[in-house]
Formats: sequence, structure tokens, C-alpha cells
Amino acid sequence: AQSVAQPEDQVNVAEGNPLTVKCTYSVSGNPYLFWYVQYPNRGLQFLLKYITGDNLVKGSYGFEAEFNKSQTSFHLKKPSALVSDSALYFCAVRARSNYQLIWGAGTKLIIKP
Amino acid sequence: DAGVTQSPTHLIKTRGQQVTLRCSPKSGHDTVSWYQQALGQGPQFIFQYYEEEERQRGNFPDRFSGHQFPNYSSELNVNALLLGDSALYLCASSPMGNTEAFFGQGTRLTVV
Repeated sequence: AQSVAQPEDQVNVAEGNPLTVKCTYSVSGNPYLFWYVQYPNRGLQFLLKYITGDNLVKGSYGFEAEFNKSQTSFHLKKPSALVSDSALYFCAVRARSNYQLIWGAGTKLIIKP
Repeated sequence: DAGVTQSPTHLIKTRGQQVTLRCSPKSGHDTVSWYQQALGQGPQFIFQYYEEEERQRGNFPDRFSGHQFPNYSSELNVNALLLGDSALYLCASSPMGNTEAFFGQGTRLTVV
């Protein structure tokens, strides 16, 4: 069965420090990989995606993600966290032969001043 | 350019009733997907519409149905509402062939 795991319910980081939000997946083939962010009572905002090519993908608001095929991971990173980055982050995967996005359960990111 | 718009933003219904949620895709987008997001969980795919046809369906009962109109807008209908249908319903649109989905702010449905 296809699945996405975000092993941490919550990640706490001090402002200015680097952050990592983890994601691993179990989807056959070479899937498309995505990160979205959700603020309270809001929809989902696209951050970045991996389709093919360079394993390091750069996205919105200074975020980047590293694709690792052997570990089937797609971790979200940012070199220096801001308080305004505090939100709920979702990893999503889509098989190339499919149209549906499969989502992780989300990781709450808390950036402390 | 308006993004994806959904209506209404909030809705309260009684068990057994029927509900219709509406979505207008982003300009230039012809594909619409619907997702259900229960509290504290990731979204679950309900179905996707393209060219007014349901192209793919997730693991949801037949009580969930949809429609896409010639202007690409879409409706999600849920019949015989259950308490467990209470959730945030998200609409996403994308242009054909594009992998990226743009989401609306969602409709919060509460079934009492």
C-alpha cells in the first residue's frame, strides 16, 4: 500500500537555527514529491516539489528539500528559521501513473524567539 | 487573478441531511480535485474531475458524489450525512499536465 510517513508530530526550533522536517514514503516507481504548509483555519499552500533532476530542490520562503531515492525520503529544510515559519507542514506524494496525492499526517513546526 | 475559491466557508448540517459544496478553480485550470481533512490528520483524496468526468476516485462511499461544469467549476455532494463526515473539505485545481495543485481555503463542515 502507498503511504507517507512524517515521524515527528512536532518539531521545536529556536529562531535563527536550521530546521529539518522529515518525510519518508512508500510509493512504487519514481513519484512526484511535494511539501505544503497550512496555517490555522487556512487551506494548503504549495512550498516546493521534486519531479526529476537535482536532488536538492529550492522552494518558497527560503525552504528547500532533499530527495534521497535509496532512503525514500524527502526532508524539508531551512538554514535559518523564522518565528513566522511556525505552522503545520505536510509532505505529499503522487505516483506518476496516478492522480491522487497521498499525504502524511503533518508536522507542527514551532519556532521559538 | 483570484485563486481557488470555495463556498461556503462554514456549514452546519444535521445527520441524514445532504450538503453541496462549491469550488471555482484558479483561472486557466481545468482539473479539480476534492479532499477531506479530518481534524489532526492529513487530507484524504475523494476524487478528481477533468473534462466534466470523474477521472479518479479515492476510497470514499457512493454517498460522496461530484460534478464539474463546462466552466471547470465543481461541486461536491454528500448524502445521508454522518457525524464522521465532519471535516475540512478542500478543493484543489491544476492545469492539465501540471503536477502542482493549488488549494482553496476549504469548507468546514460540521455534522450534528
